[in-house]
Amino acid sequence: SQQGEEDPQALSIQEGENATMNCSYKTSINNLQWYRQNSGRGLVHLILIRSNEREKHSGRLRVTLDTSKKSSSLLITASRAADTASYFCATDARAGGTSYGKLTFGQGTILTVHP
Amino acid sequence: KAGVTQTPRYLIKTRGQQVTLSCSPISGHRSVSWYQQTPGQGLQFLFEYFSETQRNKGNFPGRFSGRQFSNSRSEMNVSTLELGDSALYLCASSNLAGGPDTEQYFGPGTRLTVT
Repeated sequence: SQQGEEDPQALSIQEGENATMNCSYKTSINNLQWYRQNSGRGLVHLILIRSNEREKHSGRLRVTLDTSKKSSSLLITASRAADTASYFCATDARAGGTSYGKLTFGQGTILTVHP
Repeated sequence: KAGVTQTPRYLIKTRGQQVTLSCSPISGHRSVSWYQQTPGQGLQFLFEYFSETQRNKGNFPGRFSGRQFSNSRSEMNVSTLELGDSALYLCASSNLAGGPDTEQYFGPGTRLTVT
């Protein structure tokens, strides 16, 4: 079963614009991770934010985490056509210990960036 | 460092047959997780192996099984295939010796089609 919801389900923007995707989850977590998937291929790890962190940056990516609302957002700034992909949040849900390799994924957001 | 490799990349099987998929983790990684991705159910955790032991299992029927070898390579097997088993099967490796906040690195997946 899915941990939570992502919205929007699909997002279409022009190159240079910012893209924001949101993720909600249901249980206490150790961390939340964001992944990218191109056209049904493998997942590429983008960023991990720990439960005691509120914001994290990596290049053009900015992730926020609000554990009181059980939600996270991924912001991609100055988007490029190459950012076109599906984006998934995933939670490591066994707070205080290890979930033994189990990540629980959201349904994903399909991002299309038009050149 | 070579990434996670999965073989075969594509597979077509008939209902009732069985199939074995293989995953070679990143060198030095001892944890291998398997996921099933379908359009309807999204990404779902199958199981995780660490040092040849299954430590975690998702909610899949007993037709889905796996194992891990002493070199950390892993296989998963699906017996008595059903049409609903058609999916992208992804494996991921990680070095969980570092604790729960560990990224997973995914392979390109095996696309299984059951006819």
